[in-house]
Amino acid sequence: EAQVTQNPRYLITVTGKKLTVTCSQNMNHEYMSWYRQDPGLGLRQIYYSMNVEVTDKGDVPEGYKVSRKEKRNFPLILESPSPNQTSLYFCASSLGGPRTDTQYFGPGTRLTVL
Amino acid sequence: AQTVTQSQPEMSVQEAETVTLSCTYDTSESDYYLFWYKQPPSRQMILVIRQEAYKQQNATENRFSVNFQKAAKSFSLKISDSQLGDAAMYFCALMNRDDKIIFGKGTRLHILP
Repeated sequence: EAQVTQNPRYLITVTGKKLTVTCSQNMNHEYMSWYRQDPGLGLRQIYYSMNVEVTDKGDVPEGYKVSRKEKRNFPLILESPSPNQTSLYFCASSLGGPRTDTQYFGPGTRLTVL
Repeated sequence: AQTVTQSQPEMSVQEAETVTLSCTYDTSESDYYLFWYKQPPSRQMILVIRQEAYKQQNATENRFSVNFQKAAKSFSLKISDSQLGDAAMYFCALMNRDDKIIFGKGTRLHILP
């Protein structure tokens, strides 16, 4: 089944403890992206990647890192999480980019930083 | 800077009626793309419709259609024959040629049986 998977789905952690949220897609998509969703703010793009080894900042990249070593994986890294990073995170992918191809979203990861 | 504004935080419509969700945007680009995404209670984000700015014709997908007014920078979504399954959060989004995407804050749509 074609899908975008994220792990973990739920995570509670403490300030400063490094964490990684994984994202994987099995559709051979070139474009991948991370978003955070907060009440009253909609979705905001964190980072995106047009291809392997190519990543670009979105609207809110501060406090996050990403890597794209393989086409299928696009992990989101929080080196030193803070409470203001408590949010619902979505990973998404599309074949050639959302301009031309449908963007498929993962199920979301609910992160709480205490 | 690009912005997307959805001025209606919540709306309600009677089942089988028609509803229009509004979206205005601002960009300095001439080549851009606009989207409407749906997020039902399951939280799964789903693309509803996409519009290329250079196309005059309004995009349509079954019961969903847009009214794209480029000069006014307006991109409203019309849902015809509303169904209970249309109840969701709807997000308008803008993407320029740099592949960065900006979302509005969303409109929660309630369908009244």
